[in-house]
Amino acid sequence: DSGVTQTPKHLITATGQRVTLRCSPRSGDLSVYWYQQSLDQGLQFLIQYYNGEERAKGNILERFSAQQFPDLHSELNLSSLELGDSALYFCASSVAVGTTEAFFGQGTRLTVV
Amino acid sequence: DAKTTQPTSMDCAEGRAANLPCNHSTISGNEYVYWYRQIHSQGPQYIIHGLKNNETNEMASLIITEDRKSSTLILPHATLRDTAVYYCIVRSSGGSYIPTFGRGTSLIVHP
Repeated sequence: DSGVTQTPKHLITATGQRVTLRCSPRSGDLSVYWYQQSLDQGLQFLIQYYNGEERAKGNILERFSAQQFPDLHSELNLSSLELGDSALYFCASSVAVGTTEAFFGQGTRLTVV
Repeated sequence: DAKTTQPTSMDCAEGRAANLPCNHSTISGNEYVYWYRQIHSQGPQYIIHGLKNNETNEMASLIITEDRKSSTLILPHATLRDTAVYYCIVRSSGGSYIPTFGRGTSLIVHP
């Protein structure tokens, strides 16, 4: 158990809909990262937050947005969903921005039908 | 951060040592070598990291060559549960860091 909690574990929704994925980082970790992993694809970095502020952006679509709240949990919002958005979405946390290892949650499997 | 090269896949017999190589010939002096693994459909798991000395923890050993251009992750007694994709990452110390994963090595441990 990495200490990073992601909910829900599975999500099935229709095209055009909007969903919110939630991540609770390890206790004491200030930095949160979001990744997308499509079938047979590598882990694609989406966005990073540190202590409530956006720190880095990767290949995140405009239809996607995220935020980190004062209690440090984070949410990834995916809107106008398309079939191609079906993927595993992972959240990771670390103590600081330039820290050593990151700890990953077990992911949310999103299926868009 | 320096680029890394890993074999696409490897296999190993259960109980034997699994030696996973990583080439990072452009590594610079302040860059660390990190290893993560991802068991199928689970989140990646940090394994070990090192700068220039060999490192060992409860999961694995990391051997870094003297010129630091390559390293080997060693799982001393591989089990079926070690079947996973193993990622070698090189990063500089300090500053902002985003763990970036390539294709890694798919290790299959067979009975």
